[in-house]
Amino acid sequence: GAGVSQTPSNKVTEKGKYVELRCDPISGHTALYWYRQSLGQGPEFLIYFQGTGAADDSGLPNDRFFAVRPEGSVSTLKIQRTERGDSAVYLCASSLNADTQYFGPGTRLTVL
Amino acid sequence: GNSVTQMEGPVTLSEEAFLTINCTYTATGYPSLFWYVQYPGEGLQLLLKATKADDKGSNKGFEATYRKETTSFHLEKGSVQVSDSAVYFCALSDGDSGAGSYQLTFGKGTKLSVIP
Repeated sequence: GAGVSQTPSNKVTEKGKYVELRCDPISGHTALYWYRQSLGQGPEFLIYFQGTGAADDSGLPNDRFFAVRPEGSVSTLKIQRTERGDSAVYLCASSLNADTQYFGPGTRLTVL
Repeated sequence: GNSVTQMEGPVTLSEEAFLTINCTYTATGYPSLFWYVQYPGEGLQLLLKATKADDKGSNKGFEATYRKETTSFHLEKGSVQVSDSAVYFCALSDGDSGAGSYQLTFGKGTKLSVIP
């Protein structure tokens, strides 16, 4: 596609529920990143994929968060037992080379 | 660890005024430096970047020079327009996070409002 796409654009859920957020990177980009942006803050790194494997998941806040990229393209960020503190905008970015990352529009997650 | 500090906002300027948004960084390696911009209702977009000391990144009239001696990457524009109103983020990537990751470390962002 022309750019990174993310679905849904907005997600409202109740505390304790499970959610999945999807990212479709730019075609051919092997590197994929997930970030989380809380209100009034800059994005914070969550996890990095190179191809199908999660090469660096050091930014995941706890074991309720998990992400997959089974075919090396689309990625899904999964959050179990959501908490109100998980409310944020979740951003996905992809890149072909080492430096320039291209961001999607984000998914705004609200946990009630 | 890596960190980025940028000037607090919001910043309000009149059209055609000169803009400076300060950014300083701390990094263990030799990072690449970036400015990203987030226009209202839109996603993050790369504005400019510099990959080594003394490089100048430029785009859309904006400039920033990589200053290793002062660990800074200040964003400047000589004459702002109403359409420049957005949130600006300074960021770095040093490729030293292991496993080939070039994760970005961002500042908190500076909101710019330009009034006619």
